[in-house]
This record gives sequence, structure tokens and C-alpha cells, in this order.
Amino acid sequence: DAGVTQSPTHLIKTRGQQVTLRCSPKSGHDTVSWYQQALGQGPQFIFQYYEEEERQRGNFPDRFSGHQFPNYSSELNVNALLLGDSALYLCASSLLGEGTDTQYFGPGTRLTVL
Amino acid sequence: RKEVEQDPGPFNVPEGATVAFNCTYSNSASQSFFWYRQDCRKEPKLLMSVYSSGNEDGRFTAQLNRASQYISLLIRDSKLSDSATYLCVVNGRRGSSNTGKLIFGQGTTLQVKP
Repeated sequence: DAGVTQSPTHLIKTRGQQVTLRCSPKSGHDTVSWYQQALGQGPQFIFQYYEEEERQRGNFPDRFSGHQFPNYSSELNVNALLLGDSALYLCASSLLGEGTDTQYFGPGTRLTVL
Repeated sequence: RKEVEQDPGPFNVPEGATVAFNCTYSNSASQSFFWYRQDCRKEPKLLMSVYSSGNEDGRFTAQLNRASQYISLLIRDSKLSDSATYLCVVNGRRGSSNTGKLIFGQGTTLQVKP
């Protein structure tokens, strides 16, 4: 049973560039959430996708956008990168309607903006 | 005030010790509570859900006090392998519904020494 997978594992970009991160949910899950974790902090919720639509969004600017595909996989796009976007980006999958809110995390993508 | 607050520690304890972590949350409507464990530069992994009646999993016991909006995690007979950051997590609420957003505390660092 495959767990949550993310790609790439590491990425280095420069200010102003754009980046796309990818996530495949755990088998049988239909919902994908994205989180940003800065060093020494807990993860911060970016947004959640279900049925290819953004279901809920955290306090992140419009530079952060996403997409969910019919196979439930998801992408996170960040435009006009800032130094402060350097962080670990985590994808979590869950099954909506399971009633427990339990989310399982992928290994993350570590983004460095220079 | 942060939505979920934890003492960041670090807690340095000898092997075999009992250690307790506490966490407070601000939204009295929250319905789901969790403890996640995160090893250095890895993704958070679900340790246990927390129920009003309290729950135990081996050496780990979690308690919830809704009146005080307080969650605890007790680790008995600490092992070297318990060294990690422990994240207190509550679900986001909008009205009477869960939002799907998990709100994380900053995390409490535990270092178990031989």
C-alpha cells in the first residue's frame, strides 16, 4: 500500500522564479492538503483540495495556487518566489467523510530560495 | 494568542524517565485532536488521536480536557528512540463544521539521554 509521495525532494530556486511541487495521495484517499513548515515552526495550512476544487484556504497570498487532478494527485504552484518562501512543503492526504480528519503526510519537498 | 500553544522545550530526560507535554488551544469548538511526532528533517507522523475519555497506546497516554482547552501527552519509560519533536494538533472549525484544516502547535522537542 503506497503512502503519500512527493516530488521533488529538494529544490533550489532564485527570487522571482516560479516553482511547481507534486503530490500523490495515499491509495484510497481523495483529499489533499498542503502545508508550509518553516524551520523551528509547526506546519502552516496552505489549502486543501477535494473533487478537483479548493475546499479551504489558509492565510497565504495568491502567489500560492494549486490544482487537483482526476486521479486525486495534486500540484502546488508558487509564483514570484521570495526568500521567505524557503521552507519544507508538506502534502497530506485524507479521506473526506471518514469523520476523523486524520491526515497522513508525505516526506515533503525542501525548497530553498536564493 | 496562537491557536495552539506548546512549550517548545527542549526537554532533556534520561532513559526510563516519564515525561509529560502539555498543549492549549483557543477554539472551544474544535472537535478533533492529535499528537504527531516529527523526526529531524522528516515529515510529521501520526502518533495518536486524542479522545475525551483519554486513550493509551503502549507507553503513550493522551488526555483531553475540553473545559480547560488543554491536551496532554505522557510518555512512560522513555527510550532513546523517543527523541523527536512532538506536535499538538487540532482541527479547524467553521461554525458547526470541520474545515479540514489542521492547526499545529510549534512542537515540543524531546531529547532522551542514555
